[in-house]
Amino acid sequence: GNSVTQMEGPVTLSEEAFLTINCTYTATGYPSLFWYVQYPGEGLQLLLKATKADDKGSNKGFEATYRKETTSFHLEKGSVQVSDSAVYFCALSDAEGGSEKLVFGKGTKLTVNP
Amino acid sequence: DTEVTQTPKHLVMGMTNKKSLKCEQHMGHRAMYWYKQKAKKPPELMFVYSYEKLSINESVPSRFSPECPNSSLLNLHLHALQPEDSALYLCASSLLQGAGELFFGEGSRLTVL
Repeated sequence: GNSVTQMEGPVTLSEEAFLTINCTYTATGYPSLFWYVQYPGEGLQLLLKATKADDKGSNKGFEATYRKETTSFHLEKGSVQVSDSAVYFCALSDAEGGSEKLVFGKGTKLTVNP
Repeated sequence: DTEVTQTPKHLVMGMTNKKSLKCEQHMGHRAMYWYKQKAKKPPELMFVYSYEKLSINESVPSRFSPECPNSSLLNLHLHALQPEDSALYLCASSLLQGAGELFFGEGSRLTVL
């Protein structure tokens, strides 16, 4: 079935450092791809999404580009802040079996130190 | 109103108790979801309701019983749970099933003694 593989964390960075969190996927069709963020003690929030190849999703300084040739959707931010400390989940929409649902990666915990 | 509201935020129950988790949204969404999240793990899908009908049941044990009384409400009835069922239970909604963007509540943290 469809699946998502994220880089294992945790990731610890200093404020203003560059962030990359790798995400690759396996899918039989053309899924939509998402990054969700979970701040401590909260539910998940959609950070950004891309629905077709070469689309770039962006929000709050984060970006990710849907790369069909490498089956990747890596998350990047040029300058992280302490407030970006959270767990980040890559996900794809899975329509196998006729009922669409989200398939999540295992999550990457990011800690940004001042 | 772009919120999904879950109650209670915390619940402690014994293995013989019966309790319910509640979820409410007023965004006009027609798909609602229950997820279970263990510590340091991604959410695991349990149930999906689409237009108030059960669309997906991910082989969840019958001690978890979902209910969708109307398009705004989603309940999860709990009975005879096990300690390993202790987790964060997340409710989510989307405009339609398969619309992609899910709106999550903050979750109900359940502890089974």
